[in-house]
Amino acid sequence: LAKTTQPISMDSYEGQEVNITCSHNNIATNDYITWYQQFPSQGPRFIIQGYKTKVTNEVASLFIPADRKSSTLSLPRVSLSDTAVYYCLVGDRGGSYIPTFGRGTSLIVHP
Amino acid sequence: DSGVTQTPKHLITATGQRVTLRCSPRSGDLSVYWYQQSLDQGLQFLIQYYNGEERAKGNILERFSAQQFPDLHSELNLSSLELGDSALYFCASSPSVDPYGYTFGSGTRLTVV
Repeated sequence: LAKTTQPISMDSYEGQEVNITCSHNNIATNDYITWYQQFPSQGPRFIIQGYKTKVTNEVASLFIPADRKSSTLSLPRVSLSDTAVYYCLVGDRGGSYIPTFGRGTSLIVHP
Repeated sequence: DSGVTQTPKHLITATGQRVTLRCSPRSGDLSVYWYQQSLDQGLQFLIQYYNGEERAKGNILERFSAQQFPDLHSELNLSSLELGDSALYFCASSPSVDPYGYTFGSGTRLTVV
């Protein structure tokens, strides 16, 4: 199971773009990268998933370099409601891996 | 609403007691995952069931057990409760054996006094 490393916390201001980078040096060929968001006292919520290059959806973008040893979650123009913990997970989407959540990155958005 | 239903939302009980937490997965989902989240341990995987069978086991204590019933709902049983068992317990479900597209419920907050 590939281990991931993320910053423990980040601060930003409303309207700014936030980039959270996750390191996963031991990522395997079949592994996908998935990001989740968790608000206090709620279950994690899926944000985005990717395998390589760039993936974009209505809430975020995910950038994955060619070596796939890291990935960056990009949140455009954050608002106060984006204050949450963000988790990066790596695993084989086609297999039966167990999503293992680390401590995540606590993002605080200031007015 | 994620479609995953957990009951009760809150539970307060005394040390040494036994409780049962219930999870109804999203319609059509066959896998159920249980997680424990406490302040000092983060989100810890406990156990996974797939279509009634235990699929994977994580850091689940021997005092804890779970099962998945024919209608696919799952129960997590916690016995001989200790103060340290106080935590949020989340259930997640996914359509198949792998967690792609898995969705979390809103959790049960257990307080042991």
